[in-house]
Amino acid sequence: GAVVSQHPSRVICKSGTSVKIECRSLDFQATTMFWYRQFPKQSLMLMATSNEGSKATYEQGVEKDKFLINHASLTLSTLTVTSAHPEDSSFYICSASRDRTYNSPLHFGNGTRLTVT
Amino acid sequence: DAKTTQPPSMDCAEGRAANLPCNHSTISGNEYVYWYRQIHSQGPQYIIHGLKNNETNEMASLIITEDRKSSTLILPHATLRDTAVYYCIVRGVRYNNNDMRFGAGTRLTVKP
Repeated sequence: GAVVSQHPSRVICKSGTSVKIECRSLDFQATTMFWYRQFPKQSLMLMATSNEGSKATYEQGVEKDKFLINHASLTLSTLTVTSAHPEDSSFYICSASRDRTYNSPLHFGNGTRLTVT
Repeated sequence: DAKTTQPPSMDCAEGRAANLPCNHSTISGNEYVYWYRQIHSQGPQYIIHGLKNNETNEMASLIITEDRKSSTLILPHATLRDTAVYYCIVRGVRYNNNDMRFGAGTRLTVKP
């Protein structure tokens, strides 16, 4: 089955530094990947849509200069949290699907838990 | 918005069938119903999806009412490992995107 891999699974960083999270589709090519954020005891919230070869589309309220997304190949999207602050501490999850039809499930990575101290 | 409504929590006895309901009364004809689950500190796991016919796979069955305004996910023989948050999601061309938007879900607790 389709597998989406995220790295790292956990990261702790100091306030003011930047952190990069990778999302890879291991056995399929994904022209589109999605980034979600989940705070404790809450549901997943879509942050942005990552499009291969073009700019990401951000949801309302998500700062594009703070959450940099790069989708440089059909199997890799990266999310960089710039100048991280404690309030950015969260569970970040990516997803991708084999194609762009609504009949094709999204497959999710296992998430990256970011802790900013 | 084709939002969904799910009960916040449910309990189920181990070995029994777990029936998780979902209301999606504003669903339109070309929107799919998807079910995912999330076990603590993991990414969501795909379970099943359907358009209007009932569907079954190795994990679960999906029953969609004829008017498509509600559906039920059935785990036929729940185990302790099925304890998770279950999300019912409507997805289709209403949004000019291929994404999925999650509601609050149902926290299913399977008890021995």
